[in-house]
Amino acid sequence: GAVVSQHPSWVICKSGTSVKIECRSLDFQATTMFWYRQFPKQSLMLMATSNEGSKATYEQGVEKDKFLINHASLTLSTLTVTSAHPEDSSFYICSARVPDRTTYEQYFGPGTRLTVT
Amino acid sequence: GQNIDQPTEMTATEGAIVQINCTYQTSGFNGLFWYQQHAGEAPTFLSYNVLDGLEEKGRFSSFLSRSKGYSYLLLKELQMKDSASYLCAVRDSNYQLIWGAGTKLIIKP
Repeated sequence: GAVVSQHPSWVICKSGTSVKIECRSLDFQATTMFWYRQFPKQSLMLMATSNEGSKATYEQGVEKDKFLINHASLTLSTLTVTSAHPEDSSFYICSARVPDRTTYEQYFGPGTRLTVT
Repeated sequence: GQNIDQPTEMTATEGAIVQINCTYQTSGFNGLFWYQQHAGEAPTFLSYNVLDGLEEKGRFSSFLSRSKGYSYLLLKELQMKDSASYLCAVRDSNYQLIWGAGTKLIIKP
């Protein structure tokens, strides 16, 4: 099956610093990747859709200057949380859509737990 | 607006059967997904329905009625490891996934 990896799996950073999270599709090419945020006991919230070679599409309410997304290749998308604050502490999950499957199923990375102190 | 409803929490006994319902109102329909998510982990794919009827996969089955905007996930022979949240997601006309809030399933011995 399709495998998506994320790095790091968890990170602790100080308020005001920036953190980069990587999302890789290991055995397939993903023209489209998605970034989600999930707060405790809440559902997934789509932050943005990342398309290879073009600008990401952000959901309403998500600050594009704070959450920088780069999808430079067919196997890698990155999310950079700039000037992080404690309220940015959350579980960040990426997913990649397999383009050649009938279901266009999304495969999820294992997630990155960000704690901002 | 787009909306997906599923119960917040359910409790069942090990070895029993449980049905988790999901109703949806979305802009178009291009398939319904069920995902399992254990605490602190990312969701994993369980099933996909795009046509009406029942899809069976081992202990798990998923049913869809498009006319009623309704789906359910049926889990048989419950095991303790089935304790998790179960997320219903509908793909709308823009091929965007709309997520339900998830149903936390608690399995008791």
